[in-house]
Amino acid sequence: DAKTTQPPSMDCAEGRAANLPCNHSTISGNEYVYWYRQIHSQGPQYIIHGLKNNETNEMASLIITEDRKSSTLILPHATLRDTAVYYCIVRVPDGNDMRFGAGTRLTVKP
Amino acid sequence: EAQVTQNPRYLITVTGKKLTVTCSQNMNHEYMSWYRQDPGLGLRQIYYSMNVEVTDKGDVPEGYKVSRKEKRNFPLILESPSPNQTSLYFCASSLAGAGGEQYFGPGTRLTVT
Repeated sequence: DAKTTQPPSMDCAEGRAANLPCNHSTISGNEYVYWYRQIHSQGPQYIIHGLKNNETNEMASLIITEDRKSSTLILPHATLRDTAVYYCIVRVPDGNDMRFGAGTRLTVKP
Repeated sequence: EAQVTQNPRYLITVTGKKLTVTCSQNMNHEYMSWYRQDPGLGLRQIYYSMNVEVTDKGDVPEGYKVSRKEKRNFPLILESPSPNQTSLYFCASSLAGAGGEQYFGPGTRLTVT
């Protein structure tokens, strides 16, 4: 079973920030939060991951709450090409399991 | 260019006719994995390999075989395909276990009639 809860869908206006929430209330101390996205039926694409500190890369920012029970993926300036299903996954880095839940379908609108 | 390639991209076959879907990566990754994706069920792991000659079952291994004779290749074998194996298949690889960033292939859409 996926250990995360995400809203099934969200809309965002082009050029605005997209904030995608994820609840992971049962996360263990050694589990990281990973985000992937899947555009249409393409292979999933890695976005970012983190343990407890906020992380930023060229694609997005990841904000993890202090108690680590939830996180938010931020796409600072969403474009139409960011329309995709976004998956939040919690797991230990050296484990094998990569369990994808249903994700959030983000639609960026003009 | 770093990539994971899969072949074929599309395949329509008949029940019982053995087939192989190839997967190759050029990033010298130790870890490789196969997933299937079905509507309403999401992505589910079929098999994975931590390194050459080391493979193990994922969540839905029934009806599939894999082999890992070389680091770069991880073929998925359906000895006797059945209609319930109609699905979209993805191969993935990463540097160190599944914890590293996983790179996914473009997918293979298989239809078994």
